[in-house]
Amino acid sequence: EAEVAQSPRYKITEKSQAVAFWCDPISGHATLYWYRQILGQGPELLVQFQDESVVDDSQLPKDRFSAERLKGVDSTLKIQPAELGDSAMYLCASSGRQGNEQFFGPGTRLTVL
Amino acid sequence: GDSVTQMEGPVTLSEEAFLTINCTYTATGYPSLFWYVQYPGEGLQLLLKATKADDKGSNKGFEATYRKETTSFHLEKGSVQVSDSAVYFCALRDPGGSYIPTFGRGTSLIVHP
Repeated sequence: EAEVAQSPRYKITEKSQAVAFWCDPISGHATLYWYRQILGQGPELLVQFQDESVVDDSQLPKDRFSAERLKGVDSTLKIQPAELGDSAMYLCASSGRQGNEQFFGPGTRLTVL
Repeated sequence: GDSVTQMEGPVTLSEEAFLTINCTYTATGYPSLFWYVQYPGEGLQLLLKATKADDKGSNKGFEATYRKETTSFHLEKGSVQVSDSAVYFCALRDPGGSYIPTFGRGTSLIVHP
């Protein structure tokens, strides 16, 4: 069964360092989403791509976060510099062009010390 | 704006007990409603959904009925198993807007043998 892949699964870093997360969506899925899930809360959208284009990044803290999907397939989310408050689970999801159902990856758990 | 309110957890039950996790929502239109499940160390999986009033979504013994008059979508299961231990998220999606769900905070379920 096709799955959304994410790496790394766990990342520990010190504040002010740079971190990067990778996501490979289900093959053929045009839409890719990055969510942040703070412990004890539901996921919140950071950025949505349709193919290689950003559709919605209104909740992305652009002073430190960046995301790209250069070839419209896999995607990278970067944080530079990381802050203590960035500790969270970062989830990637993908969906077909109609967007009826999102399929989530296992997430990357980030701890900033 | 749209919002979802779930009962706080953790909900702790013995195996074969009856489960109810309450969910109420606020939305301007007629949203689609969802329950997602997140097993330890994994991403979110869609458990069931309902797209209009009085619809009943069901899957794996879980069910929920879309109640427009009470703006609720409570999750129920007649006999829980240890393997049902997970975090359950209620979510809504506005059909007139984007495909981005609005999630509740999640309710942790712990089932003891």
